[in-house]
Amino acid sequence: EVQLVESGGGLVQPGGSLRLSCAVSGFTFSSYWMSWVRQAPGKGLEWVANIKPDGSEKYYVDSVEGRFTISRDNAKNSLYLQMNSLRAEDTAVYYCASAVRGAQVDYWGQGTLVTVSS
Amino acid sequence: DVVMTQSPLSLPVTLGQPASISCRSSQSLVYSDGNTYLNWFQQRPGQSPRRLLYKVSNRDSGVPDRFSGSGSGTDFTLKISRVEAEDVGVYYCMQSMHWPWTFGQGTKVEIK
Repeated sequence: EVQLVESGGGLVQPGGSLRLSCAVSGFTFSSYWMSWVRQAPGKGLEWVANIKPDGSEKYYVDSVEGRFTISRDNAKNSLYLQMNSLRAEDTAVYYCASAVRGAQVDYWGQGTLVTVSS
Repeated sequence: DVVMTQSPLSLPVTLGQPASISCRSSQSLVYSDGNTYLNWFQQRPGQSPRRLLYKVSNRDSGVPDRFSGSGSGTDFTLKISRVEAEDVGVYYCMQSMHWPWTFGQGTKVEIK
């Protein structure tokens, strides 16, 4: 059974930092592009960041470029999102997901809520 | 960034009847390999998103064949041949041709 389990969300003050983790099992994590996608309360979906299987390529949406860092540890089957200089507009549920655009591979976690507020 | 525009944004449907959602992109989604990177996602209430279709018309594993996709270039359509109660939720188109990948605003499907 495929499982993606996010953790690390919570309440943080503006300007603070959080590190999200995603523990993956049930598929060959090291073979696939992975991503973080977020959804602000009551809003639509926004793709945040992607990372290549070997970690050599990373892409970010402009609004988080320079503040967020996506990374992975293939030995631990884990995906990470380091979030610095957090803003109120970063408040959202953050999903860990596969990012395979050309094949029948689609896996999502249950999401972790990040709330940025004083 | 590529802007994805969906219509309608709200779609009341009768059980057993067909439904259709349109999606238009501000740029071509055709890659040099000949593939068109347009996806459709479903998000049921209280659940994580799930991809239904990739490369316009390819169904993901476990997706019922009542879901189909069509279109080319910049204009795409998701069709549900006969709506069932479990189809209630929000549907998003998403392009994965240009970074950043971008979603449409979402279309809320509800039962009349």
